[in-house]
Amino acid sequence: DVKVTQSSRYLVKRTGEKVFLECVQDMDHENMFWYRQDPGLGLRLIYFSYDVKMKEKGDIPEGYSVSREKKERFSLILESASTNQTSMYLCASATWATEAFFGQGTRLTVV
Amino acid sequence: AQSVTQLGSHVSVSEGALVLLRCNYSSSVPPYLFWYVQYPNQGLQLLLKYTTGATLVKGINGFEAEFKKSETSFHLTKPSAHMSDAAEYFCAVSDDAGKSTFGDGTTLTVKP
Repeated sequence: DVKVTQSSRYLVKRTGEKVFLECVQDMDHENMFWYRQDPGLGLRLIYFSYDVKMKEKGDIPEGYSVSREKKERFSLILESASTNQTSMYLCASATWATEAFFGQGTRLTVV
Repeated sequence: AQSVTQLGSHVSVSEGALVLLRCNYSSSVPPYLFWYVQYPNQGLQLLLKYTTGATLVKGINGFEAEFKKSETSFHLTKPSAHMSDAAEYFCAVSDDAGKSTFGDGTTLTVKP
C-alpha cells in the first residue's frame, strides 16, 4: 500500500519558534509538494520539488522554506512561526501524469 | 494558468437522493482532472481521475464524473447518497508533474 507519512498529526508551537514539518514517501516518486489548507480557501501550494536538492516556490511561499536532501523526504520549515501560519499542512507526492498521493496532514497551531 | 471553480461551498441532500457537485476549470493545456474526498482530520483520498480517453469516469464508492471539454466542466455525481458520503470534496486540475490547483471545496451533508 502506497504511503505518504507526515511526522506529526498535531503540533502546537510558540510565536517565533522555528518549526520543521517532515514528510516521507515510500513510492519512489520524483515530485513532492507542500500545501496548506484553510477553511473556504481549498489547498494552496507552498513549495514543490521535482528532484533531490531542487525546490520551486508555489503560490504562497512567504514565511516558509523547504529542504529535499533525499528523494523520499521533503521538509517544510517555518523559520519564525507566526499566528497566521496556524493551519492544516498537507504533503503530497506524485510521479509523472498520475494523481498525487497525500499524507494525513499536520494541524499546526501557533500561539 | 490553471484555475478551478466549485459552485456551492455547501450541498445538502437526503439519503437516497442524487448527489451533484459542480466543478468548472480553466487550463491552457489538456488537463488532468481529479476529484478528491476528505473526511474530518484526514488527508485527501482520490475518488476518480480523468487523464485521456473516455469522458465518463467511474470512481470509488459509486461516484462518477463526466468531462465536458466544451463546457470546461467536470461535475461529480452519485445516483443515491449514503450517510457515509458526508465529507468535503475537492475538484483539482493538475499538470504532468502532479502540481495541482484545487477548488475551494464543497461540504456535502447527507440528511437521514
